[in-house]
Amino acid sequence: QKEVEQNSGPLSVPEGAIASLNCTYSDRGSQSFFWYRQYSGKSPELIMFIYSNGDKEDGRFTAQLNKASQYVSLLIRDSQPSDSATYLCAAILGYNKLIFGAGTRLAVHP
Amino acid sequence: AAGVIQSPRHLIKEKRETATLKCYPIPRHDTVYWYQQGPGQDPQFLISFYEKMQSDKGSIPDRFSAQQFSDYHSELNMSSLELGDSALYFCASSFGVPSYNEQFFGPGTRLTVL
Repeated sequence: QKEVEQNSGPLSVPEGAIASLNCTYSDRGSQSFFWYRQYSGKSPELIMFIYSNGDKEDGRFTAQLNKASQYVSLLIRDSQPSDSATYLCAAILGYNKLIFGAGTRLAVHP
Repeated sequence: AAGVIQSPRHLIKEKRETATLKCYPIPRHDTVYWYQQGPGQDPQFLISFYEKMQSDKGSIPDRFSAQQFSDYHSELNMSSLELGDSALYFCASSFGVPSYNEQFFGPGTRLTVL
């Protein structure tokens, strides 16, 4: 079992809809969680990070963390075709290493 | 804003050769991380340095070594290259207490081993 699990997708949503991406983690000691967006052949780009239980909003993005359920999610409102990418959920394990999930491919169609 | 710089961007090597990848962190960042991403895979943590000392170690082969220099840039040295080493190698950097600070990724070095 991977330490960070994601549904590989693809997740297909129409333009303007809400995309919901989910992630679970196995190490209860993990404190920090990150969502990265990665276009094919490019480097991961930080979208959101969250440390505390609850919701954190930044523009069209909302990250949610539930430590009791070991669950992290990312909501993308008003999805655009340019949001089509692979979304990587990551947790900090140990001192400072990021452990990534396998990523969820999101496809936003016009 | 300045970003993480990696060089070279592309590298082609033969089996059993050596390669050196360089990473220049964002100014004032004191921590660098190296990740390897194979085709269709998620990035795998290799190693990290904080204030020029190794701070964490992941699945880095013994054939690889890395260090961080006094100007905070880092180099990943890879010897006896194998076909399976072909991948994208990302460097990331952060500032301060690492586990609470975001890591920003460089553009990557695409290594192809023939």
